[in-house]
Amino acid sequence: DSGVTQTPKHLITATGQRVTLRCSPRSGDLSVYWYQQSLDQGLQFLIQYYNGEERAKGNILERFSAQQFPDLHSELNLSSLELGDSALYFCASSTRIGGTDTQYFGPGTRLTVL
Amino acid sequence: DAKTTQPPSMDCAEGRAANLPCNHSTISGNEYVYWYRQIHSQGPQYIIHGLKNNETNEMASLIITEDRKSSTLILPHATLRDTAVYYCIVRVAHTGANSKLTFGKGITLSVRP
Repeated sequence: DSGVTQTPKHLITATGQRVTLRCSPRSGDLSVYWYQQSLDQGLQFLIQYYNGEERAKGNILERFSAQQFPDLHSELNLSSLELGDSALYFCASSTRIGGTDTQYFGPGTRLTVL
Repeated sequence: DAKTTQPPSMDCAEGRAANLPCNHSTISGNEYVYWYRQIHSQGPQYIIHGLKNNETNEMASLIITEDRKSSTLILPHATLRDTAVYYCIVRVAHTGANSKLTFGKGITLSVRP
């Protein structure tokens, strides 16, 4: 158990809909990262938040957005869903200890768009 | 693009050591070598990381060559539960703007009974 929790575990929805994925980081971790894993693209970085502020963006579509709240949990919002958005979505959290930081991943949310 | 090269697959017998190679010839001086694994569709699991010295923890050992251009992850006594995709990743070791993990295709380790 990494200490990172994600809800829901599974989500099935229709094209055009909007969903929200939730991530609770490990206690004390300030950084949250979101990754998408689809069959054809592998694991790809979407976005990073640090202590409530966006720090880095990766291959995140404009239809997707994220935020990190004062209690450090994060939500990833996916809108106008398309079939191709079906994937596993992982969040990871990390904090810097000494000279390095390590990312720990949650169990993921499996999104199926029909 | 991933900055590491790994063979696509390997197998080993249960109880034997599994040595997983990784090439990272363009690694920078401030980049660490990280290893993660993913069992089926579970979340990637952190294994170990190192800068230039060899490292060992309860899961594995990491051997980094002196020129830092390659490394080997060693699982000393592989079990069936070690069957997974193993990712070798180089990255800076802070939470700054360039601290994302860039995953390649990894190496699929199959442990046979």
